[in-house]
Amino acid sequence: ETGVTQSPTHLIKTRGQQVTLRCSSQSGHNTVSWYQQALGQGPQFIFQYYREEENGRGNFPPRFSGLQFPNYSSELNVNALELDDSALYLCASSLQGMNQPQHFGDGTRLSIL
Amino acid sequence: AQTVTQSQPEMSVQEAETVTLSCTYDTSESNYYLFWYKQPPSRQMILVIRQEAYKQQNATENRFSVNFQKAAKSFSLKISDSQLGDTAMYFCAFMSDNAGNMLTFGGGTRLMVKP
Repeated sequence: ETGVTQSPTHLIKTRGQQVTLRCSSQSGHNTVSWYQQALGQGPQFIFQYYREEENGRGNFPPRFSGLQFPNYSSELNVNALELDDSALYLCASSLQGMNQPQHFGDGTRLSIL
Repeated sequence: AQTVTQSQPEMSVQEAETVTLSCTYDTSESNYYLFWYKQPPSRQMILVIRQEAYKQQNATENRFSVNFQKAAKSFSLKISDSQLGDTAMYFCAFMSDNAGNMLTFGGGTRLMVKP
């Protein structure tokens, strides 16, 4: 069973740039959630994708957007990067439905200069 | 909106001893799920234990157990026979029954197990 994989591992960008982070879900999982984890804090929910559509969104501005593909993999796109976007971005996959455990990837560390 | 609070930013315990991590939450929901996740320096979030709010019996997974007090909205994690590999950040998390699979996390407790 292949786990959740995220790429790249680390990324450095400058303010105003755009970035795309990628996530491959665990085999058989149809739901992908993205979280932002600032240094020293708990993860915060960005949004979730199910059947290639956004299925819930946290308190993040529209410059945070995403996609889910037919193979259930997903992308997180962030436009007009700001210094506060520096964080660990975690992807989690699961089956849709309550009480379905979420399996996390190792995350992408994004640094904004 | 739900909130999760972990009041202990850091804790330490001697190897083989027992430690309890605290978590409180606030919600108006009646049916929900609670989780403890472990995040070692490798960064991957690993599920330690979970509890369904409708179950009165406290969940147990080997050396890990919870004390779930629904009326007090408290959900503490007890680690028995602490091992060096238990050193990590521990996050308490909440999932509502009507909010998909969205997790709301607390701020975390850094646990150091000392030899």
